[in-house]
Amino acid sequence: GAVVSQHPSWVICKSGTSVKIECRSLDFQATTMFWYRQFPKQSLMLMATSNEGSKATYEQGVEKDKFLINHASLTLSTLTVTSAHPEDSSFYICSAAAGVSYGYTFGSGTRLTVV
Amino acid sequence: AQKITQTQPGMFVQEKEAVTLDCTYDTSDPSYGLFWYKQPSSGEMIFLIYQGSYDQQNATEGRYSLNFQKARKSANLVISASQLGDSAMYFCAMRVINQAGTALIFGKGTTLSVSS
Repeated sequence: GAVVSQHPSWVICKSGTSVKIECRSLDFQATTMFWYRQFPKQSLMLMATSNEGSKATYEQGVEKDKFLINHASLTLSTLTVTSAHPEDSSFYICSAAAGVSYGYTFGSGTRLTVV
Repeated sequence: AQKITQTQPGMFVQEKEAVTLDCTYDTSDPSYGLFWYKQPSSGEMIFLIYQGSYDQQNATEGRYSLNFQKARKSANLVISASQLGDSAMYFCAMRVINQAGTALIFGKGTTLSVSS
């Protein structure tokens, strides 16, 4: 089946530094990738949608300059949290789709803690 | 507005019993897809079942079935013969059209606790 690998699974960083999270589709080409944010015991909130080779489309209220998304190839998307602050601490999870009619496969998530 | 509503924050069930997790949705698109995912404490999202808006029959996948009532805009998940390993958070999701194409939006989730 379709597999999406997300790294790192957890990361602790100092306030003010940047953190990069990778999302790779291992056995299929992901035309579209999605990034979600989830607070404990809460829903997944869509942050942005990225199509390969295009700029990401951010949801309302998501800071484009803080959450940089790159989808340079059909198998890799990255989310960079720039100048991280404690309020950015959260669970970030990516998802990939091979096309409109296909399902969505999720990565295992990254737990970010900013200290 | 496109929206998914899950009104049960928590549900409790005993092993081997069936349980229904509620989900209602709102969309004006004639074509849409509804999904259920399971999220254990590890955080991974496990796909359970899918129902397309034009599907005539309710979807079933092993112990999971989806009670799709289109007129009521509901897509409840039924888990039969609950197992201890079913304890997790369950999310109902809908595929929506957005500026970038399509995406999944999620309900708030229901925490299911299965006891022996």
